[in-house]
Amino acid sequence: EVQLLESGGGLVQPGESLRLSCAASGFPFSSYAMSWVRQAPGKGLEWVSAIGGSGAYTYYADSVRGLFTISRDNSKNTLFLQMNSLRVEDTAVYYCAKGKEVGGTSRYFDPWGRGTLVTVSS
Amino acid sequence: QSALTQPASVSGSPGQSITISCIGTSSDVGGHNYVSWYQQHPGKAPKLLIYDVSNRPSGVSNRFSGSKSGDTASLTISGLQAEDEADYYCCSYTTSSTLYVFGSGTKVTVL
Repeated sequence: EVQLLESGGGLVQPGESLRLSCAASGFPFSSYAMSWVRQAPGKGLEWVSAIGGSGAYTYYADSVRGLFTISRDNSKNTLFLQMNSLRVEDTAVYYCAKGKEVGGTSRYFDPWGRGTLVTVSS
Repeated sequence: QSALTQPASVSGSPGQSITISCIGTSSDVGGHNYVSWYQQHPGKAPKLLIYDVSNRPSGVSNRFSGSKSGDTASLTISGLQAEDEADYYCCSYTTSSTLYVFGSGTKVTVL
């Protein structure tokens, strides 16, 4: 069974940093792109960032480019999101999701983890 | 990149069919067949319903179907059931500065 488990969320002050992790199991981790998607309280879904299977290619939403860094450790089946200079508007539940298969053509997110809550407040 | 446009809410009676629209542009919905749909119940993670416009993953009820015409994608739920009451989001691959864009979300109410 494919499982994704996020961790690392919490309460931080504006301007501080936080590193999220997503532990993956049940599939060949390095064969799939991975994404982070966030959801502010009471709001819709927002794609944040994606990384290719090898980690060589990374992509970001305009809202976080230059502030967040996505990475992965394929030896530990773990995805990361380093979030710097956090703003109040970054407050959200952050989900990791399994993405496109390397060499595949379909593009979708399945499955999703349960999410980890990041709260940015003074 | 603005969110894809979805109606804020759609409602229907049990057994009826409803359709949720997802309006984008030629850079996203209209330019590719990489539209997916997700169902989210309160407090839960989103669940994939449809991928690549009209494909249904194994385990997803055949009451859910997807289609696309031009810059507009659609999700149809037939034989509406109480358990279908949830939020629904479309998502598209995009050639804009970002990689993916989600829809604004639609709350489905079963009357």
